[in-house]
Amino acid sequence: GESVGLHLPTLSVQEGDNSIINCAYSNSASDYFIWYKQESGKGPQFIIDIRSNMDKRQGQRVTVLLNKTVKHLSLQIAATQPGDSAVYFCAEGPPGATNKLIFGTGTLLAVQP
Amino acid sequence: DAGVTQSPTHLIKTRGQQVTLRCSPKSGHDTVSWYQQALGQGPQFIFQYYEEEERQRGNFPDRFSGHQFPNYSSELNVNALLLGDSALYLCASSFSLQAGGDYGYTFGSGTRLTVV
Repeated sequence: GESVGLHLPTLSVQEGDNSIINCAYSNSASDYFIWYKQESGKGPQFIIDIRSNMDKRQGQRVTVLLNKTVKHLSLQIAATQPGDSAVYFCAEGPPGATNKLIFGTGTLLAVQP
Repeated sequence: DAGVTQSPTHLIKTRGQQVTLRCSPKSGHDTVSWYQQALGQGPQFIFQYYEEEERQRGNFPDRFSGHQFPNYSSELNVNALLLGDSALYLCASSFSLQAGGDYGYTFGSGTRLTVV
């Protein structure tokens, strides 16, 4: 079926380091992308989004980069903290769809104190 | 301000049975989307309800059906349960006229369905 291409890798980082989580998306015509954080037993929580007319967007400690040429997204987390430990998903909004999102499998971020 | 509320939080059903899951959207939201999240996977879109009608549907069989009520709350029904239906079922609400063009999703914590 449809999917944003991720298997579930694990990224282990030391507290205070920067983290980079990558994602490949499937539809070159998708015009909206979101990163979500999901902690155990909870639903996905919005982190940051970006539209296809942008290459980069910054939030608090997080930056999303979009490379449309190779259909690639990345999430950068600065000064990673133990509270950042979770599964991170990218999701794309395909064109012509009303509020439907296609999610990838996710990346588990493990922050070592 | 209450977010999205889903009930029950956990449920165990036997193969072949039917199940109904419930979702109350965030205050001010009028659209409800349902997702299925298998263990270790990303959420998969099931369908979306707006104005009490199914507006979009993902690649799920007709055993999956839903309903939206006048107060915007929603139900997800699954008939003839299979072992493979075991998953976390997420409800996300949004506002159809969300300014700025973003999806404005708020997710609930989900219902964990186990089919035995």
